[in-house]
Amino acid sequence: ETGVTQTPRHLVMGMTNKKSLKCEQHLGHNAMYWYKQSAKKPLELMFVYNFKEQTENNSVPSRFSPECPNSSHLFLHLHTLQPEDSALYLCASSQWPNQPQHFGDGTRLSIL
Amino acid sequence: AQSVTQLGSHVSVSEGALVLLRCNYSSSVPPYLFWYVQYPNQGLQLLLKYTSAATLVKGINGFEAEFKKSETSFHLTKPSAHMSDAAEYFCAVSDREGAQKLVFGQGTRLTINP
Repeated sequence: ETGVTQTPRHLVMGMTNKKSLKCEQHLGHNAMYWYKQSAKKPLELMFVYNFKEQTENNSVPSRFSPECPNSSHLFLHLHTLQPEDSALYLCASSQWPNQPQHFGDGTRLSIL
Repeated sequence: AQSVTQLGSHVSVSEGALVLLRCNYSSSVPPYLFWYVQYPNQGLQLLLKYTSAATLVKGINGFEAEFKKSETSFHLTKPSAHMSDAAEYFCAVSDREGAQKLVFGQGTRLTINP
């Protein structure tokens, strides 16, 4: 496997469910990111992790809970989501501080 | 604060025609600028980046962009469109090359007519 891999690619869940999104990077990078991409809105940065430590939380509701157990893996734990949380969630990684971000193909999340 | 405006949410060109996607930025510090492409059901792929080394930047797939400070623009061009160029294109700005807080435009969907 190469690049940034996200699983699952598609997820449908009810508002009371608990699920997790997974991201794995095979690039040896030291920083990882979660983005939300909604229709007709610019890409929104949610969280940034550098060397496994969270360095940015862009005012994300607590129903989204990130976890970064090591510099290759990033999770986004979801619970009690709202319909407006339906979106494409993109993971990215980079070799901070000098290299641009590489993106995964995303998880398409639908909240019923 | 930084911001990006992409003029035209949808651009349509004929195969073989010039592609021009417009991006204007606002930045209180010297900007670093990026163009990303997103093909259907995929993530974003870096096309090219401006990091102050040269104002004309060449990227992958025959695309290039020119940084014009006086116009605060970073428009993306390709001389001859190919069907495989159909995708969504995003312009982004940051305050450093390895920036972690990229500010994205709303995107421009490029359609290629046969």
